[in-house]
Amino acid sequence: QEQLVESGGGVVQPGKSLRLSCVASGFTFSYYALHWVRQTPGKGLEWVASISHDGSKSYYGDSVKGRFTISRDSSQNTLSLQMHSLRAEDSATYYCARDRYDFWSGYPTFKWFDPWGQGTLVTVSS
Amino acid sequence: DIQMTQSPSSVSASVGDRVSITCRASQDISGWLAWYQQKPGKAPKLLITAASTLQSGVPSRFSGSGSGTFFSLTISSLEPEDFATYFCQQANSFPGTFGQGTKVDI
Repeated sequence: QEQLVESGGGVVQPGKSLRLSCVASGFTFSYYALHWVRQTPGKGLEWVASISHDGSKSYYGDSVKGRFTISRDSSQNTLSLQMHSLRAEDSATYYCARDRYDFWSGYPTFKWFDPWGQGTLVTVSS
Repeated sequence: DIQMTQSPSSVSASVGDRVSITCRASQDISGWLAWYQQKPGKAPKLLITAASTLQSGVPSRFSGSGSGTFFSLTISSLEPEDFATYFCQQANSFPGTFGQGTKVDI
């Protein structure tokens, strides 16, 4: 079945870096845009970054622009999020999510998120 | 960014009850609205897109309606597995933004 599995979370000091990974299976990886969404008890669900199906376009939320980089490797069916200059407010559960519709479907893309991975917890603390 | 406001923030209900949750957008989003269900410790699950299109495998007791700035999610008869938190998400303008969630508990 379609599945996304995140890894790489942990406890990191402010100002440091961390790289999250998300391995996809059960669907044609190169057909779909992919996303990172984070969740905190206080701020709820917040979109972080997106990348197009072919990796040619990437988009970032204002709160992470210039610090985070989203990338994808179709040979490994892997989505990554490189996070630099981490702040306490970056502490969250990070989910990778796939676009609901593939690029070739004719349906609108960069709209809905489905499926989601199980999430990986990032804690930024000294 | 478009702000999404859900109400109520929580609702207590019993099995068999009819429950409705509302979501209001800060500006007109036409029908570009989704609903997600999240159970504790799990990822969100997409239930409804385009305000009223039920996703495959989602029970028919779930329904969505609305357009413009006002939307609702209705569960016609609560089942034990429906106790969860529900989020709306606008997709009219990128990036999509989420409501703060409505917890449905016993």
